Amino acid sequence: EIVLTQSPATLSLSPGERATLSCRASQSLTRYLAWYQQRPGQAPRLLIDDASNRAAGIPARFSGSGSGTDFTLTISGLEPADFAVYYCQQRDSWPLTFGGGTKVEIK
Amino acid sequence: EVQLVESGGGLVQPGGSLRLSCAVSGLTFSLADLSWVRQAPGKGLEWVAAINGGGDETHYQDSVKGRFTISRDNSKNTLYLQLKSLRDEDSALYYCATHTWASWGRGTLVTVSS
Repeated sequence: EIVLTQSPATLSLSPGERATLSCRASQSLTRYLAWYQQRPGQAPRLLIDDASNRAAGIPARFSGSGSGTDFTLTISGLEPADFAVYYCQQRDSWPLTFGGGTKVEIK
Repeated sequence: EVQLVESGGGLVQPGGSLRLSCAVSGLTFSLADLSWVRQAPGKGLEWVAAINGGGDETHYQDSVKGRFTISRDNSKNTLYLQLKSLRDEDSALYYCATHTWASWGRGTLVTVSS
């Protein structure tokens, strides 16, 4: 099983600041790494697929990068709606796995 | 617009059973691989099971193998998850999601408690 470790667990930032979230895999991934946003009381929302491709309708301030075992989600210029929990997910191999999440909170 | 609507959750005693359903619309159902994902209260996301469009290939999280069964009825555009031998740790909000992972339902809550 591929274990995904997200860091930090909590990120305290102010609106307008840049957020950098990390996801590290226990073994190298080909490319099937996705990022999701989850707001309280809502289902997860796909942000980034295949490590760096923004999903339909996702603002350009969200970007994904990385390869192998190290991946990053960057949110450039946090807006109020961006304060939420973010998860990474690998779909390289079964069982599919999610990281433990990073909560982006208002400082 | 793709829509997924889960149902069938509820309160069940340890060792009991439930069948969850996910009604899907807005896509060619028989071509869509589908998954169940769960989230315990206040916890993260956990993938549970997946099934291919034809229904002949399934995958499971180790913790549910032998207890949960994923299936689908392509004539009814509906995905199922049969839950048996339920444990306290199976208590969660259960979501269904499409193969693109861009569409999710709102979830159905399963509570296992005596």
